[in-house]
Amino acid sequence: QKEVEQNSGPLSVPEGAIASLNCTYSDRGSQSFFWYRQYSGKSPELIMSIYSNGDKEDGRFTAQLNKASQYVSLLIRDSQPSDSATYLCAVNPYGQNFVFGPGTRLSVLP
Amino acid sequence: SQTIHQWPATLVQPVGSPLSLECTVEGTSNPNLYWYRQAAGRGLQLLFYSVGIGQISSEVPQNLSASRPQDRQFILSSKKLLLSDSGFYLCAWSGGNRRWNEQYFGPGTRLTVT
Repeated sequence: QKEVEQNSGPLSVPEGAIASLNCTYSDRGSQSFFWYRQYSGKSPELIMSIYSNGDKEDGRFTAQLNKASQYVSLLIRDSQPSDSATYLCAVNPYGQNFVFGPGTRLSVLP
Repeated sequence: SQTIHQWPATLVQPVGSPLSLECTVEGTSNPNLYWYRQAAGRGLQLLFYSVGIGQISSEVPQNLSASRPQDRQFILSSKKLLLSDSGFYLCAWSGGNRRWNEQYFGPGTRLTVT
């Protein structure tokens, strides 16, 4: 059974700090990896996608992928209270549907 | 640009009543379409996906069904709702003229079965 695991949190960081969110997956054949942000009561919003080992940066967000360790992470620099949300990790084994993790709740304290 | 619509936004239905939720996508053609359910405080559960008109794959056996009568329209239905059907129902799309496997979600329908 394909699984995606995340710490449920809550992860609390002070404003301006770096928030580090982690995700592990079980299917070594997975090709594509995504991070979604979900505010309370709202639908998930795609914020990052990553397909190759290494880092991918987009503004304050950096996604890191290590396929050998089956590990993907999201770093949020200069965290803001508006970043407080649940972050969902999603994995897409090639040609198959997404598998979502349970999400990590992030709280950025002013 | 592409947009995805869902309606209604909220719905309160009694047990045993029928259900019809609709999702439409604009600005793209031949998208893959998905129905997910998210129970309170839980992760996303894939219910159905479709790669084309009339083509529906079910991930979870239950009292729900899905149909795709038009290229950019996806409908989730039930003949008789159960209490356990309560949740946040999300429609998503991928493909079209976007990177083929990035999924984008609609605003969702919050269903409460009483």
